[in-house]
Amino acid sequence: DAKTTQPTSMDCAEGRAANLPCNHSTISGNEYVYWYRQIHSQGPQYIIHGLKNNETNEMASLIITEDRKSSTLILPHATLRDTAVYYCIVRPRGGSGTYKYIFGTGTRLKVLA
Amino acid sequence: NAGVTQTPKFRILKIGQSMTLQCTQDMNHNYMYWYRQDPGMGLKLIYYSVGAGITDKGEVPNGYNVSRSTTEDFPLRLELAAPSQTSVYFCASSYSIGGGSWKDNQPQHFGDGTRLSIL
Repeated sequence: DAKTTQPTSMDCAEGRAANLPCNHSTISGNEYVYWYRQIHSQGPQYIIHGLKNNETNEMASLIITEDRKSSTLILPHATLRDTAVYYCIVRPRGGSGTYKYIFGTGTRLKVLA
Repeated sequence: NAGVTQTPKFRILKIGQSMTLQCTQDMNHNYMYWYRQDPGMGLKLIYYSVGAGITDKGEVPNGYNVSRSTTEDFPLRLELAAPSQTSVYFCASSYSIGGGSWKDNQPQHFGDGTRLSIL
């Protein structure tokens, strides 16, 4: 299973874009990149996922490098409510591994007023 | 939609006691999961189920049991509580079309957790 590496913590000024990097250099061709966040010990909340193309939804944008070895989650206008731990996860598409999320320790994002 | 509902939210047990953590979902998801999260750590998979009557072990199944008699419910049982099982427990569910399809990429939806202390 592909492993991910994320910085332990980051700060971002309120109203600015928060760019959270993730390294997944061992990702294979059939693995998606998922992002979740966990606010104050609540259950993880799904943000976005992608395979190889950049993705955008109402919460965030996901930029995946062409070689797929790294990605960046972008929160375009961070607010105080975005303070959370952000997890980058890779998982296979289809097959018996689809259930398997391997959570690392994530990036603790603190949005500053 | 309630999503994934876990009960109780908090519980304190004595060593050796048993209890069942309840989880129910109303999204008609076929896959359900139990995770535990120790302080400062990521989530670890305990057990999962791909449908009613089918369960399998995750990374850390020792000391736990599960059953899945309906699509909606996936209870987690601790038979002999030990201090090492002090943790926050999260239940999750997802929809999988199965068959190894490349379209099988639906995210998991999590409950708000049960905080369990064993003293």
